Amino acid sequence: DAGVTQSPTHLIKTRGQQVTLRCSPKSGHDTVSWYQQALGQGPQFIFQYYEEEERQRGNFPDRFSGHQFPNYSSELNVNALLLGDSALYLCASSITGGGGPQHFGDGTRLSIL
Amino acid sequence: QQQVKQSPQSLIVQKGGIPIINCAYENTAFDYFPWYQQFPGKGPALLIAIRPDVSEKKEGRFTISFNKSAKQFSLHIMDSQPGDSATYFCAASASNTGNQFYFGTGTSLTVIP
Repeated sequence: DAGVTQSPTHLIKTRGQQVTLRCSPKSGHDTVSWYQQALGQGPQFIFQYYEEEERQRGNFPDRFSGHQFPNYSSELNVNALLLGDSALYLCASSITGGGGPQHFGDGTRLSIL
Repeated sequence: QQQVKQSPQSLIVQKGGIPIINCAYENTAFDYFPWYQQFPGKGPALLIAIRPDVSEKKEGRFTISFNKSAKQFSLHIMDSQPGDSATYFCAASASNTGNQFYFGTGTSLTVIP
């Protein structure tokens, strides 16, 4: 049973560029959430996708956008990259209905030069 | 504003000791409280979770104690082992707001052989 898979594992970009990160949820899960984890900090919620729509959003600017596909996989897009966007980006999947466990992938380490 | 406050920031115990990590919250709508374990270079892995209708839950060597009136919960690791050395995060979510997880700032645990 495959867990949550994310790609790529590492990425280096320069300021002003755009990046796309990808996530495949755990089998049987239909909801995908994205988190940003800065070094030495807890994950911070970016947004959540269900039924191909953004259902909830955290306190992140609209440079951060996403998409969910019919097979429940998801993408996170970040435009106009800033140095402060350097972080581990985590994808978590869950079964819709709320109030249950979220299973995380190992993340994409994004470094901005 | 930190929705979930976690302490201590770091903890060192001898093998066989019982480290205790504490978390506090304010939002009474929270109804799901998971603990995650994270190793360097990996995503958070779900350890154990509790809902507010019980005061304690045990799974193997891990125990959550929950005090609803004080709005606090804690993780106890029995018979700790060097392999338990990792960063631990508490989290909280409310099912009526779409299962967005709010994470604590993390506790770095070191178990000395």
